[in-house]
Amino acid sequence: GEDVEQSLFLSVREGDSSVINCTYTDSSSTYLYWYKQEPGAGLQLLTYIFSNMDMKQDQRLTVLLNKKDKHLSLRIADTQTGDSAIYFCAESTGGFKTIFGAGTRLFVKA
Amino acid sequence: GAGVSQSPSNKVTEKGKDVELRCDPISGHTALYWYRQRLGQGLEFLIYFQGNSAPDKSGLPSDRFSAERTGESVSTLTIQRTQQEDSAVYLCASSSRAKTTGEQFFGPGTRLTVL
Repeated sequence: GEDVEQSLFLSVREGDSSVINCTYTDSSSTYLYWYKQEPGAGLQLLTYIFSNMDMKQDQRLTVLLNKKDKHLSLRIADTQTGDSAIYFCAESTGGFKTIFGAGTRLFVKA
Repeated sequence: GAGVSQSPSNKVTEKGKDVELRCDPISGHTALYWYRQRLGQGLEFLIYFQGNSAPDKSGLPSDRFSAERTGESVSTLTIQRTQQEDSAVYLCASSSRAKTTGEQFFGPGTRLTVL
């Protein structure tokens, strides 16, 4: 069945770049997403990439998609303490069912 | 321009009691989802409503769990005879068919604690 996997923890120093990785199994995925969850809050869409794209950049965020390897990454440049959160990778085939990974908890050390 | 709201924000109950969790989606959003998030874990899909179509209940963990939604409005998730393993944050999300990216808008969740 469909599955999305990501590492559970990442720790970086403030100012460094963070790279969060994700793999998925559904080759028919149309959209791939990164959601951010801050403590005590629901998830919020951070960015997404359409499956026919290789890269998307949005300010400090860069999303890379390797469709052949079914690998997605999120790079946060100049990571700040405010970026500390859980980051969820997710995919959908364009319908309404979205499969979420378990989330990567990002710790940013000052 | 209200977002998705959920109530209560916190619920403490005794094992064996029934609980009802409420979700108010964004007005006009035809799709509504319920997820469960156990402490330190990812999202577990529970159920999905799309307009007046039959809901996708494939994620409900047992027959103690049920959910209702009338039309495109409020949804209620009911857990009967609660167990300690039901303790989790229950998240609701809604999305609009008009937004082809399928972005889901999440509520803040209801934290359920079963003693």
